[in-house]
Formats: sequence, C-alpha cells, structure tokens
Amino acid sequence: DAGVIQSPRHEVTEMGQEVTLRCKPISGHDYLFWYRQTMMRGLELLIYFNNNVPIDDSGMPEDRFSAKMPNASFSTLKIQPSEPRDSAVYFCASSPRDRVFFGPGTRLTVL
Amino acid sequence: AQKITQTQPGMFVQEKEAVTLDCTYDTSDPSYGLFWYKQPSSGEMIFLIYQGSYDQQNATEGRYSLNFQKARKSANLVISASQLGDSAMYFCAISPHSWGKLQFGAGTQVVVTP
Repeated sequence: DAGVIQSPRHEVTEMGQEVTLRCKPISGHDYLFWYRQTMMRGLELLIYFNNNVPIDDSGMPEDRFSAKMPNASFSTLKIQPSEPRDSAVYFCASSPRDRVFFGPGTRLTVL
Repeated sequence: AQKITQTQPGMFVQEKEAVTLDCTYDTSDPSYGLFWYKQPSSGEMIFLIYQGSYDQQNATEGRYSLNFQKARKSANLVISASQLGDSAMYFCAISPHSWGKLQFGAGTQVVVTP
C-alpha cells in the first residue's frame, strides 16, 4: 500500500490567494483527519470525517477554511483567502480505527 | 474533554541505553486509546505503539513498550537499546473509544548520543 498521499508537498503562495491541499487516504480506512502543526500550537486537529461525512469541524480556525470529502479516496482542505498566519505543516491522516496513519504533510508558506 | 501532558521538553540519552518518555492524561471517557508517534527531523509522523484502556497487558512493538498505569493515568513509552536513528520528537496522543479526535501532547525531543 502506498500510504496516505498528500499533494503538494510544498506550497508557497501570497496572502489573499486560494490554497487547496489534497489527500488520498489509505484504501479501506473509513476515518480521515486533517491536522495542522506549528511551533506555537503544536498538532491541532482541524476536522475529521467518517465514511466521507464531516463529524467534527470544531478545530477549523475560521470560515476561511473548508474541507470536503467527495468520496472515500479523496479529500481537500481549502483556505480562501490565505493569510501569513496560516503558514504551517498540514497533515492528512487516515484510520480504520485503533491506528492512525499520517501522510507526509504539506508545508504551506503564505507570504 | 481530554488532555495529554508531556512534561519533558527534551532529553539526551546515550546510545544503547534505555529511555523512558513520560505521558500523563486526563479524560472523562470510560474507554480510550493511547498512542505514541515519532517525528524525525524529516517531518513525517510515524506510528509506534497503541494501548487500549481495557487491554490487560502493556503493549509492546519491537524495542518500544508502553508502561500503562491506568490508575495513575500514565502511559510512558520505553525505548530499549537506543539507536542514533531514534533521535526525534516523540508525541503521546489520546483518542476516545468512540474514535476520532486524536489529541496530541506537546512532545518530547530525544537526542541519542554516541
């Protein structure tokens, strides 16, 4: 299995631009998580899905952030408009339960 | 509500020695899962070990073992025979049995020296 796949691995954009992060979970995993990691706040859970349905988005920082999971093999996290304080590593993770496997992360820099 | 506390921000350990990383937690869930992850300087999050709150035995995975003391609400990670490649940040995490909301502690930076 290829593991959790995330793209792009690095993204540099300017403030105000739209950013879309993509994730392909491990086949057969029915949970998908989006995390953000910064030095100041550590690892934060933004949102998670179960069977493609958003279960808890209480960690999404504000309305500029949105996440979708149109099918079991694809999810997106969108930031519109982006701000410098959104700079972080964004991880997607998937799970069948009892194990959570992380993707390699997307390092986002907003100038 | 759940909370994970890792009190050791960083530690040095000599190669081939064992090291214990502390983790305490607080949860109101009657059942839950505890996890340890390793994050090397390259940035990926690597799953190490899992302990269910009702598991009778402490979890082990190769050189990793989990010292689970439910009454004390602690889930310390023991790495035996440290290797240079063990140098990394280590995170403890907790999840409710109903799943979801895996929450992480602040992490412990481990540096293994020759």
